Amino acid sequence: DGGITQSPKYLFRKEGQNVTLSCEQNLNHDAMYWYRQDPGQGLRLIYYSQIVNDFQKGDIAEGYSVSREKKESFPLTVTSAQKNPTAFYLCASSIGGRELNTEAFFGQGTRLTVV
Amino acid sequence: GDSVTQMEGPVTLSEEAFLTINCTYTATGYPSLFWYVQYPGEGLQLLLKATKADDKGSNKGFEATYRKETTSFHLEKGSVQVSDSAVYFCALYTIQGAQKLVFGQGTRLTINP
Repeated sequence: DGGITQSPKYLFRKEGQNVTLSCEQNLNHDAMYWYRQDPGQGLRLIYYSQIVNDFQKGDIAEGYSVSREKKESFPLTVTSAQKNPTAFYLCASSIGGRELNTEAFFGQGTRLTVV
Repeated sequence: GDSVTQMEGPVTLSEEAFLTINCTYTATGYPSLFWYVQYPGEGLQLLLKATKADDKGSNKGFEATYRKETTSFHLEKGSVQVSDSAVYFCALYTIQGAQKLVFGQGTRLTINP
C-alpha cells in the first residue's frame, strides 16, 4: 500500500539534545512538508521541499534543520536551539510543482516531549 | 503572501443541525482549495477539494463551493452527526509564488447527541 510513514509515534528528548524525526513516503511525490501543531493551534510550516536536494524555510524554521537526499525521505532534526520543541509534528507529501490537483497526504504524526 | 482565514472555534452543535464553517483566502493567482479533517491524535485526511472557480467539492455529505468573487470556500453539511466531531482545516495551493500548501488555523467542531 502506498502511503506516508512517520516514526516514532512518541518521542522524548532531554533538554539540550538534538533529535531526528523520520518521514518516508512511497507515493513517488516530489513535494514534502513538515508542520508543527501545538494544542488548540493550527498547522505552522517548518520546512518544505519541492524536489530532491532542495528545500525552503517555512514560517518557523529557527531551531530546526532538514535534508532531502532521497525523493522518498525528508527527516526533520529538532536542535537544542529550538526553545520550545514540545509539540505534535506532522509530515506531508504531495505531487507538488505546477500540478494544481496537489492534495497532500499526511503521516500519523510524532508527538515530541522534552523532559 | 498567501493566507487562509477560518472562522473562530470551537463550534458546538446538536446532532442533525446544519453546519457552516467559513473560510476565506488571499492568494497569488488562482489556487486550488481543500478541506482537511483531523481526528484526535491523528494526521489530517483530505475531505474535499476544488481546483477552479465555481467548482463544488463534496464528500460524506459535506460540500464547499469555490467562489472567486468572494475568495471563499465555506464548508457546509445539512445534518451533522456525532462522528463528525473533529478539527477542520481549510487550505490552498497555488502554482504561482512559493508553491507550498498553506493552512488556516483550524476549527474544532463538537457535535452533541
